[in-house]
Amino acid sequence: NAGVTQTPKFQVLKTGQSMTLQCAQDMNHNSMYWYRQDPGMGLRLIYYSASEGTTDKGEVPNGYNVSRLNKREFSLRLESAAPSQTSVYFCASSGTGGVGYTFGSGTRLTVV
Amino acid sequence: GQQLNQSPQSMFIQEGEDVSMNCTSSSIFNTWLWYKQDPGEGPVLLIALYKAGELTSNGRLTAQFGITRKDSFLNISASIPSDVGIYFCAVMNYGGSQGNLIFGKGTKLSVKP
Repeated sequence: NAGVTQTPKFQVLKTGQSMTLQCAQDMNHNSMYWYRQDPGMGLRLIYYSASEGTTDKGEVPNGYNVSRLNKREFSLRLESAAPSQTSVYFCASSGTGGVGYTFGSGTRLTVV
Repeated sequence: GQQLNQSPQSMFIQEGEDVSMNCTSSSIFNTWLWYKQDPGEGPVLLIALYKAGELTSNGRLTAQFGITRKDSFLNISASIPSDVGIYFCAVMNYGGSQGNLIFGKGTKLSVKP
């Protein structure tokens, strides 16, 4: 009963490095989301994918790209990491007609 | 975009105390949700509210959907140490740059030193 799985759990990057955060869900959900969480800022939506083959920008998309690889997987890419991208990143998914989202356990990213 | 205002931002609890927090909006929403985030984990859905005036319980947690559909309250009775964490309110709001859910900034519960 995995739900939403995120990898890695922790990552340290140097400024300018690139990396991809992975997310997979096994609930056959149509929609998937990437959030970042910073102290005092709550959860801010970076990108989302309403269904396989579509992606849309959220509130804070700058510096990120996403790929909805298939119905299960939704990845988030940082092309050139910056210290301002130090944050905890959460992936979530939701199903048609379902209430609320199911979240992964997060990736804690530090950019030095 | 739309905003939800949660208060208080943080509070300290002593075991056995009752806790109250609320969430308000300037717009009407028809579905209100409460999530809890344990330290180091993602948020988990606690309670969903669908009808104005509705009062729903989940164990020691009770949430109410305001009659104006612009607010909601969460109460925790007889708090215990495992209640610590961040509580988020959220509303269903399909589409837009905030996706299908708008979240408040959270109320952080900590144990009183």
